[in-house]
Amino acid sequence: DQQVKQNSPSLSVQEGRISILNCDYTNSMFDYFLWYKKYPAEGPTFLISISSIKDKNEDGRFTVFLNKSAKHLSLHIVPSQPGDSAVYFCAASRPAAGNKLTFGGGTRVLVKP
Amino acid sequence: DGGITQSPKYLFRKEGQNVTLSCEQNLNHDAMYWYRQDPGQGLRLIYYSQIVNDFQKGDIAEGYSVSREKKESFPLTVTSAQKNPTAFYLCASTKVDGYYNSPLHFGNGTRLTVT
Repeated sequence: DQQVKQNSPSLSVQEGRISILNCDYTNSMFDYFLWYKKYPAEGPTFLISISSIKDKNEDGRFTVFLNKSAKHLSLHIVPSQPGDSAVYFCAASRPAAGNKLTFGGGTRVLVKP
Repeated sequence: DGGITQSPKYLFRKEGQNVTLSCEQNLNHDAMYWYRQDPGQGLRLIYYSQIVNDFQKGDIAEGYSVSREKKESFPLTVTSAQKNPTAFYLCASTKVDGYYNSPLHFGNGTRLTVT
C-alpha cells in the first residue's frame, strides 16, 4: 500500500510561470515532510521541508504548503526556470521511528523556455 | 569535499551471483540508508543503520544484506535470493540531531543490471 502518493506523473509549464506539485499521504503519524529534486543518473538533492506544526515554509522560489486535515502537501515553484526541469519527489517521515523517509512516486517537471 | 561515494556507477552481473555495492561517506554522519529506485517509481527503503554495528530492515529487505563495521561505510550485498535485482540503488546518510534529523544526503547511485 502506497502511503505517499504523487498522482501527477508529469507536469509541463512555461518558463516564468508557477509550477504546482501535489502530494497526498495516508499515514497520520507522519509529521515531517520533505521535497527532493532528482536529475537522471544522479542522487536526489534536498529542496525544502516542513514539520507538521507549520502550514507553510518558504525558501526563495520554493514554497511548501501542508494541509494536515486533508493529508495533503504541495510544492510551488515560482517563477519556474528551465533548470527546474527534473523529477520531484515528496517524502514523509516519523522522526520518532528512526527518521526513515517514505517517498512518493515522483512528478517529472518540464519547464519550456 | 565532503560527500557520499557510491561505486561503481554501473555494475553488471550474471543471475545467481551475489554482488556488493559500496557506499562510503566522509560527512561524519551517524545514520546511513539504502534505497532502491525502479523505473517510474519512487524510492523504497531496503536497510538502514543508525549507529555502527547495528542495522534494521526497511520495507523491501528480502534478498539483501548489509554490514556497518565502520561509521563511514555501509555496503549492500544483493544476493541471488533477490528476485528482481536490476534497479538503481541509492545510498544516503544523515546526522542524528535531535528530534528531526538533518535531511538525507544522497550519493549518485549505482545502476545494477543482472542478466
